[in-house]
Amino acid sequence: GAVVSQHPSWVICKSGTSVKIECRSLDFQATTMFWYRQFPKQSLMLMATSNEGSKATYEQGVEKDKFLINHASLTLSTLTVTSAHPEDSSFYICSASLAGGPSTQYFGPGTRLTVL
Amino acid sequence: QQPVQSPQAVILREGEDAVINCSSSKALYSVHWYRQKHGEAPVFLMILLKGGEQKGHEKISASFNEKKQQSSLYLTASQLSYSGTYFCGTPMIYNQGGKLIFGQGTELSVKP
Repeated sequence: GAVVSQHPSWVICKSGTSVKIECRSLDFQATTMFWYRQFPKQSLMLMATSNEGSKATYEQGVEKDKFLINHASLTLSTLTVTSAHPEDSSFYICSASLAGGPSTQYFGPGTRLTVL
Repeated sequence: QQPVQSPQAVILREGEDAVINCSSSKALYSVHWYRQKHGEAPVFLMILLKGGEQKGHEKISASFNEKKQQSSLYLTASQLSYSGTYFCGTPMIYNQGGKLIFGQGTELSVKP
């Protein structure tokens, strides 16, 4: 149980384009999902908390207009990187926690974004 | 405040033991341990909820000392599959909907 999927696994795009990443909880409902960014050999940096039916909460220093988050249902959250630039190239990982649980997070397999 | 992990990296021979520590300057309500292999997402290992709690699964165990605000992960008789980066995660604020802040990671390499 507690399986989280992400799509796509990797994406290469040109500078200035927008990229959408999907995160799905496959066998449970997730009222809360989290989006992380991870640069090589660094820790997971929380970008935002995605809440079903309400606006996402962004961490300090994360531009909400650049990283658009939509939590359309209890099983789907999307992250759109708008007007991507090479410095946005990174490993983006989502996670979901079980409602009412002790906040254990289950991670998706990640999406590697490369902006040329 | 990000928890601090030590050591930053460790190299073992198969069958050797290792200890990874995680400490915080703030009160710890729970500690989560994850392992991440290169290019993959972190995989949940275990969560410790109470001060003094210890848990284990096969040859990986962990302890949580609430008073000392620290947790330790013990890997005994390490296997090649244990290689990866280990992260501890702690709640940012008690009961704040599951938000975790992760340590900087400890890279473990197990050699044959």
